[in-house]
Amino acid sequence: DAGVIQSPRHEVTEMGQEVTLRCKPISGHNSLFWYRQTMMRGLELLIYFNNNVPIDDSGMPEDRFSAKMPNASFSTLKIQPSEPRDSAVYFCASSRGAANEKLFFGSGTQLSVL
Amino acid sequence: TQLLEQSPQFLSIQEGENLTVYCNSSSVFSSLQWYRQEPGEGPVLLVTVVTGGEVKKLKRLTFQFGDARKDSSLHITAAQPGDTGLYLCAPQRGSARQLTFGSGTQLTVLP
Repeated sequence: DAGVIQSPRHEVTEMGQEVTLRCKPISGHNSLFWYRQTMMRGLELLIYFNNNVPIDDSGMPEDRFSAKMPNASFSTLKIQPSEPRDSAVYFCASSRGAANEKLFFGSGTQLSVL
Repeated sequence: TQLLEQSPQFLSIQEGENLTVYCNSSSVFSSLQWYRQEPGEGPVLLVTVVTGGEVKKLKRLTFQFGDARKDSSLHITAAQPGDTGLYLCAPQRGSARQLTFGSGTQLTVLP
């Protein structure tokens, strides 16, 4: 079975450019999560969706970040304009949606903003 | 605001040694999950503990949930290089679906 698929695996861009990260959750999973991981701040929840609807976006750093889930099999996280401090590994995870459910993580997107 | 602390932050040991890492909080949790993350990959679930005082074993790994459900520990017996990774705890409150992760313990097991 395919797990959570993220693309690209690595992204290097210049400050001010738009960055779009993509995620395909596991089929049948109702919840999707975007996390950001850095050495300084660890693994931070940015936003999560349930049944394609954003439920909690309190972790989104600022207006430069936006996330969409147009259907059950696809989500994007967009940064516009990007800044060097956005450099991090961005993970997408999905679950069946109930409490205590296991989160399945993708392999992440390593973003470097120069 | 809940305070979640994992300790130690870094741990380097020789193959064959035993170790314990901790996850402590000032809040009571309904459940807690432990994940392991290897370099270049996302975290992978090891176990979920739900009941205060619960002990779960996964081969050489023993997980315990504190009686008051505010803390948890992970004990590894006879560590192997394959145990190397970042161990993250993720407590859950109520029926919340989203997980907040601790800062993790980076374990290195030297051959």
